[in-house]
Amino acid sequence: DGGITQSPKYLFRKEGQNVTLSCEQNLNHDAMYWYRQDPGQGLRLIYYSQIVNDFQKGDIAEGYSVSREKKESFPLTVTSAQKNPTAFYLCASSNGPGIYEQYFGPGTRLTVT
Amino acid sequence: ILNVEQSPQSLHVQEGDSTNFTCSFPSSNFYALHWYRWETAKSPEALFVMTLNGDEKKKGRISATLNTKEGYSYLYIKGSQPEDSATYLCAFNSGSARQLTFGSGTQLTVLP
Repeated sequence: DGGITQSPKYLFRKEGQNVTLSCEQNLNHDAMYWYRQDPGQGLRLIYYSQIVNDFQKGDIAEGYSVSREKKESFPLTVTSAQKNPTAFYLCASSNGPGIYEQYFGPGTRLTVT
Repeated sequence: ILNVEQSPQSLHVQEGDSTNFTCSFPSSNFYALHWYRWETAKSPEALFVMTLNGDEKKKGRISATLNTKEGYSYLYIKGSQPEDSATYLCAFNSGSARQLTFGSGTQLTVLP
């Protein structure tokens, strides 16, 4: 089955530690995205990538980093510089920007204490 | 940062009722408007992508309209069923942006 996988579903970390969230897709999509959701808020874009080896900052990129070495994979690292890392993180992919619908993974809930 | 507003924030209706909610977005530099349905414990799924002023889309009992000149879209659900309970998200794309800006969603609960 084609789709997007994110792992793990739940992640717990101590403050001050970096943590990497996995996102893999087998839809052959060029574009991939990372969103963050906080209670009562919409999805906010962290980073996106339109093509391998290229990525752009979204609205809330501070304290996060990404890489796009393969078309299928777009891992997100939450660094210790991110002041409020506890949140629900969603990965998505699409054939392109704008008019192309996005396909979402199941999400990772990160808790940092 | 673009402003995309959805109203109401939450809604409770009885099974069989028809309902609608609103997405407001900037009327300038419009490129596309997306609607997604996000059921609890599942991933968001695309309902519609709308690009033309006056566009109307329909999928079963769910339909959407688009007014790009005044910057709003309506989502309608006819004869709501408990399985329609979900958060409905709209997302705006301007011509100059490569990404979507999401509203905070309307949480619909359909009571049996």
